[in-house]
Amino acid sequence: QQQVKQSPQSLIVQKGGIPIINCAYENTAFDYFPWYQQFPGKGPALLIAIRPDVSEKKEGRFTISFNKSAKQFSLHIMDSQPGDSATYFCAARGSTLGRLYFGRGTQLTVWP
Amino acid sequence: DTEVTQTPKHLVMGMTNKKSLKCEQHMGHRAMYWYKQKAKKPPELMFVYSYEKLSINESVPSRFSPECPNSSLLNLHLHALQPEDSALYLCASSQVAGANYGYTFGSGTRLTVV
Repeated sequence: QQQVKQSPQSLIVQKGGIPIINCAYENTAFDYFPWYQQFPGKGPALLIAIRPDVSEKKEGRFTISFNKSAKQFSLHIMDSQPGDSATYFCAARGSTLGRLYFGRGTQLTVWP
Repeated sequence: DTEVTQTPKHLVMGMTNKKSLKCEQHMGHRAMYWYKQKAKKPPELMFVYSYEKLSINESVPSRFSPECPNSSLLNLHLHALQPEDSALYLCASSQVAGANYGYTFGSGTRLTVV
């Protein structure tokens, strides 16, 4: 049973576009929702994270929108650049020893 | 120091070999994790150590043996692996609890079993 559902599986946008990646969860005990960016051959790098008592968080060009009642959250990338081309994973942290449950990932390609 | 350091970066081993992966962090994190990641898939949890004690073992085969010698080090001992164990092995660390849930991954060890 997948704890965090992520869509779309892949996404192609032109430079300057605003890709949006969506995630949904069921477990209301999750208390922390990070997004990770991963380049080929590298480990996931924390991009931005949000707690469920906050509806939106911005860091630079990256924004998380969080809808607690709908149990959904999304990542928006403003003014996307070719260097943003990577795989993005959403995740949710359970209360047991901080284990993370990952979505299946979204492969983003930004064309110049 | 805000990094998780993993060595080696690449490892090729035969099915009869014994090798170890090493992970180190100096952020004072008391939870450390091993994840396995196959190509185009999310990381899969293998083991969780909390305060140097094994807390979660996700039904990992005994050919993988974790060890946490102290609060900064985490090892993964490998023995008699199979080709299907070839993957990127990721170490991560985090605070056990508190407001800052920062979860830091290392760059991983790319393991190839031949």
